[in-house]
Amino acid sequence: QLQLQESGPGLVKPSETLSLTCTVSGGSMNRSAYNWGWIRQPPGKGLEWIGSIYYSGSTYYNPSLKSRVSISGDTSKNQFSLKLNSVTAADTAVYYCVIGREYTYGASDYWGQGTLVTVSS
Amino acid sequence: QSVLTQPPSASGTPGQRVTISCSGSRSNVGSNTVNWYQQVSGTAPKLLIYSSDKRPSGVPDRFSGSKSATSASLAISGLQSEDEADYYCSTWDNSLELVFGGGTKLTVL
Repeated sequence: QLQLQESGPGLVKPSETLSLTCTVSGGSMNRSAYNWGWIRQPPGKGLEWIGSIYYSGSTYYNPSLKSRVSISGDTSKNQFSLKLNSVTAADTAVYYCVIGREYTYGASDYWGQGTLVTVSS
Repeated sequence: QSVLTQPPSASGTPGQRVTISCSGSRSNVGSNTVNWYQQVSGTAPKLLIYSSDKRPSGVPDRFSGSKSATSASLAISGLQSEDEADYYCSTWDNSLELVFGGGTKLTVL
C-alpha cells in the first residue's frame, strides 16, 4: 500500500517559484506507478489537474499552466516534484500529489493528504 | 467554468438510490473512459470508479458507474450517511488534457 506525502513551503511570495516534493513510501515507484503527477484545489473550489508523467517518460501539462510548470521524478529516490513559476494569488490552493497504477488504467488511486500553499507577500 | 458539467448538488434519504450525472463532449467523455472521485470534507479525494464502470478493491458495490455517448453517471444505492461528500467526474480530453467536472455536493437528509 503506497503512502504519499507532500512537502514544501506553505507560503510563497507573488512572482516567485512554488516548489513541492512528493515522497512515496510503502512500495517502489518503479514497480507500482503507471503515472504520477499533481492536482490542486483552490479553497472552496473544485479539482484542477496540473500535470502528469507516465512511466514511459511522456509528460502532459494543463495547457493553462504549461508555460509555468515543470514536473519531474526520481524513481530511485521514490520522489517526484512540482515547480510552478511566477505564482500569483490565483495559485493559492491545496496541492495533492497522486499516483495512478496500471490496475486502474492510470486513474489516480493514491493521493497524498494535500498541502496548502498560500501565495501572499 | 468546468469542461465537464455536473449538478452542483444532490440529495437523498438513507436507503435511497441517487444518481449524479457528468456531461461532456465527443472529445472527452465521448472518446475516453470516466473516473469518479469521492471527497469527504477536509480529506483528500478517493478513487471510486475507474474506466467508467469498474470499482477499485475496497469500494462497496453500492457504487456503480456507467457511460453512454457523451454522458456518464454515478449511482449510489442504499444511501448511507457516510456517503455525504463531494463527487467529481474526470476524463482525458483528446487534446491531452485531464479534465474534471465542477463537483456535486451530496447531502444525506
